[in-house]
Amino acid sequence: DGGITQSPKYLFRKEGQNVTLSCEQNLNHDAMYWYRQDPGQGLRLIYYSQIVNDFQKGDIAEGYSVSREKKESFPLTVTSAQKNPTAFYLCASSKRGLDEQYFGPGTRLTVT
Amino acid sequence: AQSVSQHNHHVILSEAASLELGCNYSYGGTVNLFWYVQYPGQHLQLLLKYFSGDPLVKGIKGFEAEFIKSKFSFNLRKPSVQWSDTAEYFCAVNAIISSGSARQLTFGSGTQLTVLP
Repeated sequence: DGGITQSPKYLFRKEGQNVTLSCEQNLNHDAMYWYRQDPGQGLRLIYYSQIVNDFQKGDIAEGYSVSREKKESFPLTVTSAQKNPTAFYLCASSKRGLDEQYFGPGTRLTVT
Repeated sequence: AQSVSQHNHHVILSEAASLELGCNYSYGGTVNLFWYVQYPGQHLQLLLKYFSGDPLVKGIKGFEAEFIKSKFSFNLRKPSVQWSDTAEYFCAVNAIISSGSARQLTFGSGTQLTVLP
């Protein structure tokens, strides 16, 4: 069954700790994306990657980091430098950058 | 920078009413256009898309959208809504730059649709 998996579904962290969100896809897609969804603001792009070992900053990359060592995986690290990390994080992938994107179920991160 | 506007933040309709959700974008060149839907507790999923050709596109569950280039609009419509259409709807635009690649996909802020039984 092809798709995108994100884990965990809920994540709780103390302020000042880094946390890594997992995203895996078995769709053989080249491009992967991380978005942040906040109420009333839609989805905002954090980072994206068109190919392995390459990624670009999106609109709100400050305080986040990513890696793309494998085609199937695109983990996102929320660092302690991110001023307002509590949010719903969505991972997506597409065959190429121009195509429609397929989304994972999301991870809700709460930092206290 | 491109932007996408969805002016209706929350729409409430009774079952069988007709639906039109507005979407306007700001980019003068070629675009790929999408509507995504997020049902309660489910993944964000593609409702329909426009890349080229007939500006009236049909999607899943009886939805359709019309691309009007002169108005920079891509409004979503459904003749008769059902209670199960209650969800959040997002318009998204991918601007095609001259090299044939795309700028990042830009989403609108979303419209919450509530259909009363």
